[in-house]
Amino acid sequence: EPEVTQTPSHQVTQMGQEVILRCVPISNHLYFYWYRQILGQKVEFLVSFYNNEISEKSEIFDDQFSVERPDGSNFTLKIRSTKLEDSAMYFCATRPRANYDGYTFGSGTRLTVV
Amino acid sequence: GENVEQHPSTLSVQEGDSAVIKCTYSDSASNYFPWYKQELGKRPQLIIDIRSNVGEKKDQRIAVTLNKTAKHFSLHITETQPEDSAVYFCAAMYSGGGADGLTFGKGTHLIIQP
Repeated sequence: EPEVTQTPSHQVTQMGQEVILRCVPISNHLYFYWYRQILGQKVEFLVSFYNNEISEKSEIFDDQFSVERPDGSNFTLKIRSTKLEDSAMYFCATRPRANYDGYTFGSGTRLTVV
Repeated sequence: GENVEQHPSTLSVQEGDSAVIKCTYSDSASNYFPWYKQELGKRPQLIIDIRSNVGEKKDQRIAVTLNKTAKHFSLHITETQPEDSAVYFCAAMYSGGGADGLTFGKGTHLIIQP
């Protein structure tokens, strides 16, 4: 079964540093997403991305965050000037097309800001 | 925006008994309702979903019901087994208009007692 691959699996960073989380979507999937899950809490939507542009973003996704798909394969989430409260599990998700198709989540990147 | 409430937060049942988890949503435009199972430290995995044009869907021991009028949907697991122990999340989304982020409930920790 095809998988969404995320790297790294665990990232520790100093507060104020920039981090880039990477995701390799399933090859025929067209819609890409980032979600985060603070330990013990629910999964929260950050951003959706289609046709090389953001289609929707949540209130969490402020100017500190950015996404891109620079080389047509990797889908990245950049967090500038990380804060302690950015510590969470970040999940990439993809789906093949619009209208009712289920997401496939990646295995996640655990980000720890110290 | 959409708001999804999920109950109970913890559910303990005897092995072999049934488990029911309930969710309500606020946005009548939502038309896609997936359920995810998340084991400790792992990714959310889609177990079943339902579209707004269907009232019930079943897959072996798992079923989901949807009441659009009341804006609630439920997950039913019959003949529970130890491997059903996990956190279950419901979610809601409007699929088809470009704004396609999932709104998750807070999760239900299902414990199957041997």
